[in-house]
Amino acid sequence: RKEVEQDPGPFNVPEGATVAFNCTYSNSASQSFFWYRQDCRKEPKLLMSVYSSGNEDGRFTAQLNRASQYISLLIRDSKLSDSATYLCVVSFYGGATNKLIFGTGTLLAVQP
Amino acid sequence: NAGVTQTPKFRVLKTGQSMTLLCAQDMNHEYMYWYRQDPGMGLRLIHYSVGEGTTAKGEVPDGYNVSRLKKQNFLLGLESAAPSQTSVYFCASSYSLMVAGAQDEQFFGPGTRLTVL
Repeated sequence: RKEVEQDPGPFNVPEGATVAFNCTYSNSASQSFFWYRQDCRKEPKLLMSVYSSGNEDGRFTAQLNRASQYISLLIRDSKLSDSATYLCVVSFYGGATNKLIFGTGTLLAVQP
Repeated sequence: NAGVTQTPKFRVLKTGQSMTLLCAQDMNHEYMYWYRQDPGMGLRLIHYSVGEGTTAKGEVPDGYNVSRLKKQNFLLGLESAAPSQTSVYFCASSYSLMVAGAQDEQFFGPGTRLTVL
């Protein structure tokens, strides 16, 4: 089982739709969590960090469920410019080894 | 500020050849990282550095060497390239150490597309 798993998609949604992505992780050691966005043939860029209390940035909401070991990203009122691959990133640390694991990404295509 | 830059952007090598990828950052970050990204797999950490003169192994270090002679530069070397090293290589830097749980941002360079024939 992969340490960080995402549904690869693609998620094809119309403009204005609400879309949600989930990411599951397998290691219960101490963690920090992130969502990155990667446009085609470009470098990843931080979208948002994910905190235990959940956090919101405009149309984007990230939530963490430690009991079920998953994080989620909700995008409201999708725009064409939201089309990209969304990477879930988890840091496992404090044990025998520290790791920073990237998920394979979920592809979002927003249609006009 | 240029952020994180990488050279070259593209390179084609023959099996057995060597090359060095250069990463530079102008944000005065202590921590720098080298990743590779392959289809169907997430970015995987090759090596990282916690400061000038120090390096550490990541998840997939075999076949690569690194050096951090200056704080702003992080070099990735392939001594004898193999087709399995065909990939897109990303360099990144951060203010805090990401593998130690920092809730911080990594800044990535634009990537180097390497093909080994």
